[in-house]
Amino acid sequence: GNSVTQMEGPVTLSEEAFLTINCTYTATGYPSLFWYVQYPGEGLQLLLKATKADDKGSNKGFEATYRKETTSFHLEKGSVQVSDSAVYFCALSDITGGFKTIFGAGTRLFVKA
Amino acid sequence: EPEVTQTPSHQVTQMGQEVILRCVPISNHLYFYWYRQILGQKVEFLVSFYNNEISEKSEIFDDQFSVERPDGSNFTLKIRSTKLEDSAMYFCASLLAGETQYFGPGTRLLVL
Repeated sequence: GNSVTQMEGPVTLSEEAFLTINCTYTATGYPSLFWYVQYPGEGLQLLLKATKADDKGSNKGFEATYRKETTSFHLEKGSVQVSDSAVYFCALSDITGGFKTIFGAGTRLFVKA
Repeated sequence: EPEVTQTPSHQVTQMGQEVILRCVPISNHLYFYWYRQILGQKVEFLVSFYNNEISEKSEIFDDQFSVERPDGSNFTLKIRSTKLEDSAMYFCASLLAGETQYFGPGTRLLVL
């Protein structure tokens, strides 16, 4: 079945540091890939998405590229801010799974001033 | 922008009691879902619903759970006899086929 694996956290960075959160997936079909962000005590917010190979999703300085050859969708940001502290979930969805979303375990990011 | 809404935002109940969590999906969406997130853990799929019936359910979704779309707008999750381990955040989601799934803000359920 479909699955998502992402790097374990927590990840602690200083403000303005470069962020990478690794994510790889297993899927039988051609999934769409997503990154969601969850701030403390809040719900899930869609951060970015990519629907086909080589697509790059981007939002708020974050970006991720759909790499079919390595089955990866790593999240990057060039310069993190304290306000980026949150839990980040990599996820996939495809028609063979009835479009249900399969989430990774989440990676908690702490950004220090 | 249209959004998925959920009520209540928080629910506290006693073990063994029934709870109903409510969701109003986006009006033209066709697929509906419930997910669960135990505190500090990953978001887990519970059930999907399409064309007025369950299309898929996870092993978490046992006989204590049921879903219903009673009036064409609401989508409910009922837990018949709550257990302590049902304490979690419950997210509803909906989508139009092939598009992005929209998540509601969640209902935080605490079973005492």
